[in-house]
Amino acid sequence: RKEVEQDPGPFNVPEGATVAFNCTYSNSASQSFFWYRQDCRKEPKLLMSVYSSGNEDGRFTAQLNRASQYISLLIRDSKLSDSATYLCAVMDSSYKLIFGSGTRLLVRP
Amino acid sequence: NAGVTQTPKFQVLKTGQSMTLQCAQDMNHEYMSWYRQDPGMGLRLIHYSVGAGITDQGEVPNGYNVSRSTTEDFPLRLLSAAPSQTSVYFCASSYSSSGDTQYFGPGTRLTVL
Repeated sequence: RKEVEQDPGPFNVPEGATVAFNCTYSNSASQSFFWYRQDCRKEPKLLMSVYSSGNEDGRFTAQLNRASQYISLLIRDSKLSDSATYLCAVMDSSYKLIFGSGTRLLVRP
Repeated sequence: NAGVTQTPKFQVLKTGQSMTLQCAQDMNHEYMSWYRQDPGMGLRLIHYSVGAGITDQGEVPNGYNVSRSTTEDFPLRLLSAAPSQTSVYFCASSYSSSGDTQYFGPGTRLTVL
């Protein structure tokens, strides 16, 4: 079983929709959590860190559930430009940053 | 700042050849890492370093060596290339190992024939 797992999608949604992704992790000692965005054939870029209390950045909301060992990303009012692959990443206690395989989002007009 | 730079951008090797993928950062970051990305597999950690002189294995270290003699540079060596090492390789760095933002280089696309 992979340490960090995501639904690969693709999620195909219309503009303006709300979409949510989940990511589960297996190491209960994990200490830092992130969502990255990757456009086709480009390097990943940080979308947002995920804090225990949850955090919001504009249309994006990230949450952490330590008890159930998952993180989530909610995108409201989807834009065409949100089409990308969303990668969750988890840092464990030995400072390894492990990525999920990514969830592909397609936003259609 | 140039950020994280990787060379070469593209490389074709024959099975059994060796080569070094270069990675450099000019942000005085302590933490550096190498990932490979294959279709449907996401990013898999090869090796990482929490500071100069310190390296450790990631998820898929076999067939790769690294060294970290300076803060700026973190080269990845393929000792004897195999077709299974055909992939896109990303180098990343962050200020520290305490959950800071990872900055990725543009990647090296490697094909092993």
